[in-house]
Amino acid sequence: TQLLEQSPQFLSIQEGENLTVYCNSSSVFSSLQWYRQEPGEGPVLLVTVVTGGEVKKLKRLTFQFGDARKDSSLHITAAQPGDTGLYLCAARLNNAGNMLTFGGGTRLMVKP
Amino acid sequence: KAGVTQTPRYLIKTRGQQVTLSCSPISGHRSVSWYQQTPGQGLQFLFEYFSETQRNKGNFPGRFSGRQFSNSRSEMNVSTLELGDSALYLCASMRVAGSYEQYFGPGTRLTVT
Repeated sequence: TQLLEQSPQFLSIQEGENLTVYCNSSSVFSSLQWYRQEPGEGPVLLVTVVTGGEVKKLKRLTFQFGDARKDSSLHITAAQPGDTGLYLCAARLNNAGNMLTFGGGTRLMVKP
Repeated sequence: KAGVTQTPRYLIKTRGQQVTLSCSPISGHRSVSWYQQTPGQGLQFLFEYFSETQRNKGNFPGRFSGRQFSNSRSEMNVSTLELGDSALYLCASMRVAGSYEQYFGPGTRLTVT
């Protein structure tokens, strides 16, 4: 069992649809980051959330951090083909220093 | 500002050989972490270096080692390569002071035959 559970693992949608990706754990995070990765490249940082209940918006992307700092979600509105990629959540757990623990990832495909 | 750079980008080695990968962090970033990414295990933490000292280590065998130089550049070494070491090796740098954010390089794709 992974420390960080991401769901769904795969998502294939049409352009213009909305979607939500979830990242859950039984452990408390000191901070959580969302990354997007394209094939053959390193993950690109999208956002960092630190405070329980925090909501951050980045254009069509909305990120939420759970009140208890054990879960997070990424919502994309009106998805576009350019949103296609692997979305990863990564958490800094309490007492784990700067080590990031990653979820298994959500592979998103947006069809035109 | 230049991003994290990793060299080489691609590498093919034979079982039993050793390999050294290099990472140059973003200017001003003092922490460098290394991760291994495979289709089966996803992204897993190898180790973190700060001020030339290893601060944290993941659950990998002693064949995996690293070091950091005074200019914050880092190298990781894998000795006695195994087929299972084939992976994308990612380096991430962090400013440390007042920041939780790690920025990744493009990775080195290692193939062991």
